[in-house]
Amino acid sequence: DTGVSQDPRHKITKRGQNVTFRCDPISEHNRLYWYRQTLGQGPEFLTYFQNEAQLEKSRLLSDRFSAERPKGSFSTLEIQRTEQGDSAMYLCASTRGESQETQYFGPGTRLLVL
Amino acid sequence: GESVGLHLPTLSVQEGDNSIINCAYSNSASDYFIWYKQESGKGPQFIIDIRSNMDKRQGQRVTVLLNKTVKHLSLQIAATQPGDSAVYFCAEQKTSYDKVIFGPGTSLSVIP
Repeated sequence: DTGVSQDPRHKITKRGQNVTFRCDPISEHNRLYWYRQTLGQGPEFLTYFQNEAQLEKSRLLSDRFSAERPKGSFSTLEIQRTEQGDSAMYLCASTRGESQETQYFGPGTRLLVL
Repeated sequence: GESVGLHLPTLSVQEGDNSIINCAYSNSASDYFIWYKQESGKGPQFIIDIRSNMDKRQGQRVTVLLNKTVKHLSLQIAATQPGDSAVYFCAEQKTSYDKVIFGPGTSLSVIP
C-alpha cells in the first residue's frame, strides 16, 4: 500500500453513461497525476495538478474527460458519454514535487464500458 | 521475444537465478530513468531509479544500468524469487517530478 487510494476499484457502466473516479493522494504531496493503462500496455499520462492548478493535459484527454482538484487535496476524473474505448485502468499518482521524488501510484480504478 | 499487439515479452527464470530485463528508451533529453514493478490488479511500484549522469546504481538485489550512447536501460535482479513475478516497466522523465513516460513492459515469470 503506497498511501494513494482510489475509489471505486472497479466500475462497470453502459456506453453513454457518465462516470467519476476519485483519487486521494498522500497527504503532503502537492503534485497529482492521472494515467490510463490498457491491457498489455504501460500507463499513459493524462493530466497533472500542482496543488489545485491543472498544469498539463495530454491530447489523450478528449473533451469528454475532465479532472479537478478543487482544494489541492483529492482529485476527481470524470468521463462523460463513455465509449467502449474508454475501458481501461485509470491510475493516480502523487509526489511532493521535489527533486528526485518518486511518484507513488494508487491501485487504480478498472473501468469496463459495455 | 518481440511484442506483437497485446502480447508482452516474457522472461522465464528459475528461482535463484539472476534476471536481466532490457529496455530501449526514446528521449535523449530525459534526465531520470525508473524501473517499476506491476503485479496483477495493482498500480506500478517503484523499484529503482537512475539519473542520466550515472551509469549504474545498485539497490537491494537490483541493479540498474544506463547506456546513454545506445539509449539502453537494463534491470538486473539477483537471486530471483517467486515474489518477483510481475510485469516490469522501464520509464523516463525529463525531470524527476515531470510526467512519467512508460516503455513497453516485460513479464517476468519465476519458476520455483
